[in-house]
Amino acid sequence: ETGVTQSPTHLIKTRGQQVTLRCSSQSGHNTVSWYQQALGQGPQFIFQYYREEENGRGNFPPRFSGLQFPNYSSELNVNALELDDSALYLCASSPKTGGSNSPLHFGNGTRLTVT
Amino acid sequence: QKEVEQDPGPLSVPEGAIVSLNCTYSNSAFQYFMWYRQYSRKGPELLMYTYSSGNKEDGRFTAQVDKSSKYISLFIRDSQPSDSATYLCSGGQGAQKLVFGQGTRLTINP
Repeated sequence: ETGVTQSPTHLIKTRGQQVTLRCSSQSGHNTVSWYQQALGQGPQFIFQYYREEENGRGNFPPRFSGLQFPNYSSELNVNALELDDSALYLCASSPKTGGSNSPLHFGNGTRLTVT
Repeated sequence: QKEVEQDPGPLSVPEGAIVSLNCTYSNSAFQYFMWYRQYSRKGPELLMYTYSSGNKEDGRFTAQVDKSSKYISLFIRDSQPSDSATYLCSGGQGAQKLVFGQGTRLTINP
């Protein structure tokens, strides 16, 4: 069984640029959630996608946006990058069974550095 | 005040010791409580999943939730060097839109 995979693993961008991060969910999982983890902090919920629609959003500005595709993979897009966007971006998927009670399975993240 | 508070440590104990990790939370609507373990340069992995109050045991790990005091605990018995990691407590109204604590960095010394 393949777990959650994220690409790229590392990325360096300049302030003001745009970035796209990608996530392939674990086999059999139809829900994808994105979290931001700043250095030395716990993950913070950005948003969740279910059936290609946003299904809940945390306290993040509109320049953070996402997509989910029919094969349940997902993208996180961040526009107008700021220095504070430097963090580990984690994707997590959840299985079809159990609904919203199913736990998250995380990938290893994309480390984004904004200079 | 953060919704989930966790002492960041670091915490260092000898091999074989019993480890106690604790968190408090403020949102009374939380029903699901999870402990995740995160090794360096890796994503969090689910360690314990608890619904509402009570205890749950899995091998050397025991999770406790006391909703009356809004207190979450994780106990590790017979700790091993491989248990050295950052431990993240979390809570939520569901199991997926979680609020995490800051994480406690734990080192088990051989």
